Order: sequence, then structure tokens, then C-alpha cells
Amino acid sequence: KAGVTQTPRYLIKTRGQQVTLSCSPISGHRSVSWYQQTPGQGLQFLFEYFSETQRNKGNFPGRFSGRQFSNSRSEMNVSTLELGDSALYLCASSPAPKGNQETQYFGPGTRLLVL
Amino acid sequence: KQEVTQIPAALSVPEGENLVLNCSFTDSAIYNLQWFRQDPGKGLTSLLLIQSSQREQTSGRLNASLDKSSGRSTLYIAASQPGDSATYLCAVRDAGNMLTFGGGTRLMVKP
Repeated sequence: KAGVTQTPRYLIKTRGQQVTLSCSPISGHRSVSWYQQTPGQGLQFLFEYFSETQRNKGNFPGRFSGRQFSNSRSEMNVSTLELGDSALYLCASSPAPKGNQETQYFGPGTRLLVL
Repeated sequence: KQEVTQIPAALSVPEGENLVLNCSFTDSAIYNLQWFRQDPGKGLTSLLLIQSSQREQTSGRLNASLDKSSGRSTLYIAASQPGDSATYLCAVRDAGNMLTFGGGTRLMVKP
């Protein structure tokens, strides 16, 4: 089974631009979560989607948004980029959101640099 | 709000040594706790998952324990090898399926 894939792997943008990141979960997985990782703040939860619905949202401004498609693929969008948005963005998938026996499988991440 | 702390932040040991990484969390109402490994610039690899009803899990040279009531978990690595060098992260999952991560322990195993 293929793992979680994320595209693009690297991205350079300038302040004020917007960016869209994509995540394809493991086949059969219906829950997709997004995380931001920075040296200063560590790994922080952004949001989680299940069956095209956002089920949970972390403490991030409205510039960060996401969606999930019927095939479980997910995208996240960041508008009006700021220098502080430079980070590794990680996507994780799991079969379902509430299974306490299930682990989350992480993709390799998209490294975003905002200049 | 759940807070997860990992001690030490960094650790350097000679090859062959047994070592313990510590993780503590403030809210004991968790579904499970996971230990991950992250290599530089890469994503996370799940090492062990301990359900809230379990006390420990083992995989090869790794053993993780969970004491939910005291809000603590440890990851024991036996006979460490240079290939174990990485950052180790613990994360707790709450009722909202959100993972809260610790800051990680950066491990260096010297040959």
C-alpha cells in the first residue's frame, strides 16, 4: 500500500501570496489531519477532516483553511502569507477519526519558505 | 488545554548504551499516546502506540510505558545504535482526535 503523499515537497513564496498544499491519504483512510512544524513552536495541530467535513480545528488564524474531497484527498490553503508561516506542513491519515487503536500515518511533509 | 513536555531536549550517548526518554502530559483524559521518530527534514514514523487502557508496548529494542494517572510515559531504547539517531516525539490523542505533541528529544548515538 502506498503511504501518505504530499505535494509539492518544497515551495518558496513571497509575503502576501497564497499557497495550496495537497495531501493524498493511504488508500482506504478517510481521516486526514494537518500539522505545522516550526523550530520555535514545534508540531501544532491545524485541522482534521473526515468525510469532507472539518471535525476539529487548532488555534490558527482564518488565513489557514482546508478542504477534503470525496476521494479523501485533502488540500490546505494559506492566504496572505507571512514570514512566520515558513514551516514544514505535515499531513497524517488514519482509517477513521475516533478509533483509539489506530495510529496516524504521516506524509513526508511540504517545506514552505516565505520570503 | 493539554500540554506535553519531553525531557531531556537533547541526549548524546555512546553506542550500545540503554537509554530512557521521558514524556509528561497535563490532562490524563487521553485516548492513547504515541511515540514517533523524525529524521532531519523528514516526516514522522510511528514507533509505538499505547492505548489508554494499556501499561506498555514493545517493538524490538523499544519499550514504551504509560502511567495515565500520573501523566507520564517513557520510551526505553535498548542497546542503542548510531541508526537510532533522530528526534523522538511523543504525542497524546484526546477525545477530539487531535494529537498534541511534545517538543521532542534529539538523540545522538555515537559510534
